[in-house]
Amino acid sequence: DAGITQSPRHKVTETGTPVTLRCHQTENHRYMYWYRQDPGHGLRLIHYSYGVKDTDKGEVSDGYSVSRSKTEDFLLTLESATSSQTSVYFCAISEYRANQPQHFGDGTRLSIL
Amino acid sequence: RKEVEQDPGPFNVPEGATVAFNCTYSNSASQSFFWYRQDCRKEPKLLMSVYSSGNEDGRFTAQLNRASQYISLLIRDSKLSDSATYLCVVNMDYGGSQGNLIFGKGTKLSVKP
Repeated sequence: DAGITQSPRHKVTETGTPVTLRCHQTENHRYMYWYRQDPGHGLRLIHYSYGVKDTDKGEVSDGYSVSRSKTEDFLLTLESATSSQTSVYFCAISEYRANQPQHFGDGTRLSIL
Repeated sequence: RKEVEQDPGPFNVPEGATVAFNCTYSNSASQSFFWYRQDCRKEPKLLMSVYSSGNEDGRFTAQLNRASQYISLLIRDSKLSDSATYLCVVNMDYGGSQGNLIFGKGTKLSVKP
């Protein structure tokens, strides 16, 4: 299995609080991604990174920010969490961008009350 | 037309049955196609890539029809352990989006004894 670790695995927090999710990889892959998965929707891309300090928005980026200060770490931040951001969040990595499958971490279950 | 469409199922089949899933995609310029498997409350895992000539991996066969813009997954001699949700994944290259992967909502398979 690809060396991807997400933390925390579960989190419950209150509306309006900041939340940071961490993705750590040991594969030295250039590309890292954050997705959310909700019932009735496929996986949806939030943000992705194509290198240290290089990030871009995905389909559902509103309310989220990301940072990548090291190749191995990609952080997802909810500045002021809302109930609509209750979801399962997956981090993924790939060596190249085009024509490559992505490999996923175990996911973070986030509940915002 | 949705970008990637799958029959949500569920497909309920007996052990040993052959089952086929289809998936249609909207972007005729798509170049990469994959099938992922996702067990309940787990991360998606790559099952197989789909190549233009079709490809087989044990009991699993994937085919691509570019003219009709659909891909298929055939599972022969179903096992109880095949029970999962199968995700169809297609890259969408609209130039600026640089090949984002788009995930279908998944087809649920339940294999019964």
